[in-house]
Amino acid sequence: QVQLVQSGAEVKKPGASVKVSCKTSGYTLTSNYIHWVRQAPGQGLEWVGIINPSGDSTTNSQKFQGRVTVTRDTSTNTVYMELSSLRSEDTAVYYCGSDHFDYWGQGTLVAVSS
Amino acid sequence: QAVVTQEPSLTVSPGGTVTLTCGSSTGEVTSGHYTHWFQQKPGQAPRALIYDTTNKHFWTPARFSGSLLGGKAALTLSGAQPEDEAEYYCLLYYSVVRVFGGGTKLTVL
Repeated sequence: QVQLVQSGAEVKKPGASVKVSCKTSGYTLTSNYIHWVRQAPGQGLEWVGIINPSGDSTTNSQKFQGRVTVTRDTSTNTVYMELSSLRSEDTAVYYCGSDHFDYWGQGTLVAVSS
Repeated sequence: QAVVTQEPSLTVSPGGTVTLTCGSSTGEVTSGHYTHWFQQKPGQAPRALIYDTTNKHFWTPARFSGSLLGGKAALTLSGAQPEDEAEYYCLLYYSVVRVFGGGTKLTVL
């Protein structure tokens, strides 16, 4: 069956970067998209970005103004989302999700605090 | 970036019917927005209910249906159950960018 397993919680200082991983099983990355979504405490869902099946194209929400980089490693079936220049408002649970969002990772809490 | 709007809150009686809507700041929502609908309960990850405007996942209860209605996307719940009390989010596709709505808190009371 399909599983998306994310890396553990992170605590970062403002200005730092964080890299969250999403390891897939039963899900062919070369045939499917992977989305990233985040949810700040008590807030709604926010679409972050996506990587295409070829791995050669990513699209991110304009809100992040180039701070987000989505990459993947097909040898380990893992997708990565790196967010740089962290600020307190980036504190959120970050989720990876499959093409039609039918499968989700368990979420990774990224806390940004000085 | 487009803004996607949803009702902040709605209430439905058990067994009743309610329609949640999803509008776009860019104009009419069409099938080309490939609307997705999600349900989220407190402390849980979101769960997909509807994709591509009308299509259900195999786990989606039959009482949920998706459509286009009056220039918006719509999620209709017919025969509400207590377990349907949750936050509901829509997601619209704008070419390659996707945008979530702010969510609708649905109370079954």
